Amino acid sequence: GAGVSQSPSNKVTEKGKDVELRCDPISGHTALYWYRQSLGQGLEFLIYFQGNSAPDKSGLPSDRFSAERTGGSVSTLTIQRTQQEDSAVYLCASSLGDRDYNEQFFGPGTRLTVL
Amino acid sequence: AQSVSQHNHHVILSEAASLELGCNYSYGGTVNLFWYVQYPGQHLQLLLKYFSGDPLVKGIKGFEAEFIKSKFSFNLRKPSVQWSDTAEYFCAVIPYNTDKLIFGTGTRLQVFP
Repeated sequence: GAGVSQSPSNKVTEKGKDVELRCDPISGHTALYWYRQSLGQGLEFLIYFQGNSAPDKSGLPSDRFSAERTGGSVSTLTIQRTQQEDSAVYLCASSLGDRDYNEQFFGPGTRLTVL
Repeated sequence: AQSVSQHNHHVILSEAASLELGCNYSYGGTVNLFWYVQYPGQHLQLLLKYFSGDPLVKGIKGFEAEFIKSKFSFNLRKPSVQWSDTAEYFCAVIPYNTDKLIFGTGTRLQVFP
């Protein structure tokens, strides 16, 4: 597609429920990133996928958070047993994965509200 | 730990005023540098980037930024702002041996006509 797409655009859930957020990267981009944008923490890195390499999970805030990327394209971020502090905008980005030209293109985000 | 500092959290200007937003990073090695902009209700967009070469880079909408390696800075400038520049601006770096963006806390710019 023309850009990174994410779904849903908004998600309201109850505390304790699991949620799945989806990201479709730009076609041909091998690298995919998840970030979180929240009032208290700003923009923070969560996880990074590059091709077939093991993902960099160093930014995941707890073991309730996980992500996978199927077929080197679409990615799903899963948050189990959601808490109110998980409320944030979850942003996905993709890039060509070339370290010499690693401009990241962002999607519109999923706004998650945990009641 | 690697970090990016944006010293101006909220800037209010009148149209035609000049703008400079500060950005400093803490990393001694090679970095790629970015400014992203988020207009109200829209997603993050790249304003400009520096990878190598001329340290004065020009981006969209008349913005420019200067990379000063000795000061670990990458300040954003625009000589004359417009009301449509009202947005939040984020400085970000990618240290060369990593692939993840490290963002500053952002600067909210309000431009009044």
